[in-house]
Amino acid sequence: DTAVSQTPKYLVTQMGNDKSIKCEQNLGHDTMYWYKQDSKKFLKIMFSYNNKELIINETVPNRFSPKSPDKAHLNLHINSLELGDSAVYFCASSQDGGVGSPLHFGNGTRLTVT
Amino acid sequence: DQQVKQNSPSLSVQEGRISILNCDYTNSMFDYFLWYKKYPAEGPTFLISISSIKDKNEDGRFTVFLNKSAKHLSLHIVPSQPGDSAVYFCAATYNTNAGKSTFGDGTTLTVKP
Repeated sequence: DTAVSQTPKYLVTQMGNDKSIKCEQNLGHDTMYWYKQDSKKFLKIMFSYNNKELIINETVPNRFSPKSPDKAHLNLHINSLELGDSAVYFCASSQDGGVGSPLHFGNGTRLTVT
Repeated sequence: DQQVKQNSPSLSVQEGRISILNCDYTNSMFDYFLWYKKYPAEGPTFLISISSIKDKNEDGRFTVFLNKSAKHLSLHIVPSQPGDSAVYFCAATYNTNAGKSTFGDGTTLTVKP
């Protein structure tokens, strides 16, 4: 039973295209996140949703748009992809988004923009 | 602005010995710290955490130490096992920040049999 699953695992696309990454968690958690791991290996938060409500929106280009149809799903849509968007994108969830709730990560989506 | 730093990109230890992974932070508002472990092609998994009201937390072979005055924490693994070989990320957060975690850039631990 995969707790946090994201698809696809690999995504190769050309500049200018639009793509989506899907994420689902079966842990019953209230909060979901998107993190980006760049070439320097830093994990940086992009967005966080609590019960379908956006609560964290870091300085991310507005070409990135998260959507949470319900609290078990958080998808990431990226418009007009650029070379610099190449990275590994991790979806995560936590029980209540509180400081003591550790993150449960999916296995990542490696996005390559050519 | 790198608020959480792991200054050792890699560490190699012999099986059975102690592994010590270090992490420094600059933001004095951080009051909760977590360690995650990551295997290749997988997402990070939670390992152990510590609140700023404590200076030590232990879970089996893993112990985290926090020195608030030095803004430094460390993860001790004793005894180290080959299966511990992974990338270890330190993360920090604070209560009024909606649980947002700031991560270090990781330390790759290799435990040699």
